[in-house]
Amino acid sequence: EIVMTQSPATLSVSPGERATLSCRASQSVSSNLAWYQQKPGQAPRLLIYGASTRATGIPARFSGSGSGTEFTLTISSLQSEDFAVYYCQQYNNWPAFGGGTKVEIK
Amino acid sequence: QVQLVQSGSELKKPGASVKVSCKASGYTFTSYAMNWVRQAPGQGLEWMGWINTNTGNPTYAQGFTGRFVFSLDTSVSTAYLQISSLKAEDTAVYYCARVGTGTTPYDAFDIWGQGTMVTVSS
Repeated sequence: EIVMTQSPATLSVSPGERATLSCRASQSVSSNLAWYQQKPGQAPRLLIYGASTRATGIPARFSGSGSGTEFTLTISSLQSEDFAVYYCQQYNNWPAFGGGTKVEIK
Repeated sequence: QVQLVQSGSELKKPGASVKVSCKASGYTFTSYAMNWVRQAPGQGLEWMGWINTNTGNPTYAQGFTGRFVFSLDTSVSTAYLQISSLKAEDTAVYYCARVGTGTTPYDAFDIWGQGTMVTVSS
């Protein structure tokens, strides 16, 4: 079983600033890594797949990087609508989600 | 457009059963695997397993064997999650989610249902 660990649990950022979220896998998942955004009362939305490919309609301020066991989601300039919880997920093996990072307004 | 529409919220007593539906539209139902994901109140996402929409073969993640059953009705492009012998700890939002490509779970989940809240309380 692959365990996904996200850090930090909460990230306080001012609008317009850059946010960097981390995700670590307990063993290599190659580039089989996705990022999701979830707002209160809503279903998760796919942001990034293949570690670095933006899903359809996702703004360019969202970018993903990494491979193997270390991954990063960067939001270059936070907009008001970006404050949410973000989950990473590996699908190299049976799918598994990280515990999430809440991005809150500073 | 491509979408998954789930059935409405349920309130059940402990020991009862519930069946959640997930109706697909806008794509060929049998061409994409379907997953189920649980989210307990205030908690993260937990993968429950998946069903091969081509063969109907279900696979359950650890912790979701025995009381959980995935099924299909391909004639109406609908996947089902049934939970029996409900317990208070089953209280959660349950999501269906389509895999982006192919009939295995080894891809990102590109389309999600809106979620179904199941509350178990006496």
